[in-house]
Amino acid sequence: GAGVSQSPRYKVAKRGQDVALRCDPISGHVSLFWYQQALGQGPEFLTYFQNEAQLDKSGLPSDRFFAERPEGSVSTLKIQRTQQEDSAVYLCASRIGGANYEQYFGPGTRLTVT
Amino acid sequence: AQTVTQSQPEMSVQEAETVTLSCTYDTSENNYYLFWYKQPPSRQMILVIRQEAYKQQNATENRFSVNFQKAAKSFSLKISDSQLGDTAMYFCAWNRDDKIIFGKGTRLHILP
Repeated sequence: GAGVSQSPRYKVAKRGQDVALRCDPISGHVSLFWYQQALGQGPEFLTYFQNEAQLDKSGLPSDRFFAERPEGSVSTLKIQRTQQEDSAVYLCASRIGGANYEQYFGPGTRLTVT
Repeated sequence: AQTVTQSQPEMSVQEAETVTLSCTYDTSENNYYLFWYKQPPSRQMILVIRQEAYKQQNATENRFSVNFQKAAKSFSLKISDSQLGDTAMYFCAWNRDDKIIFGKGTRLHILP
């Protein structure tokens, strides 16, 4: 079946622009995660949804970052007034159930802020 | 702090050789999962192997096996009979509930 998909795969934004990154999880997966991966680093947790509820947003680096999953399926990560330090790969993952299940990752969106 | 340390930023081995990637972690939790993920240039994060902390037996998946030392908080990955397709970044990680904590990765090159 289809895996986690993310769009766009690449995004270039001028500093100060707003961007929206989309994640389509595997159908039926209850949980959805966003991670930020800076160049040469491991992914870092941003936020987590169970269905439409955002249960943990402790990793969002500032109030410029906002995530939503209004119908418990597709999720959007929005970054307002982008800064150069926002340049990274943004990974989405989904999971069918609780913590004992595997998280399946998408291919990521590479955001470059110029 | 709950961290994961991978002390080898980069490694190279000849095809068909065995290679071991090191990982140590720090947590005060008792029940958690440990993972090794592979990330090729395509950026797709692929789960290689998973270990449940309460299980003493080391996990094995075909050519991949781990050496899990809970008291030492060590979780190394052994790749046997390495193949060119194993070339990738490898990340050690752990989670208890919903937040996966990743190390900085080891870049592995398999040489023909």
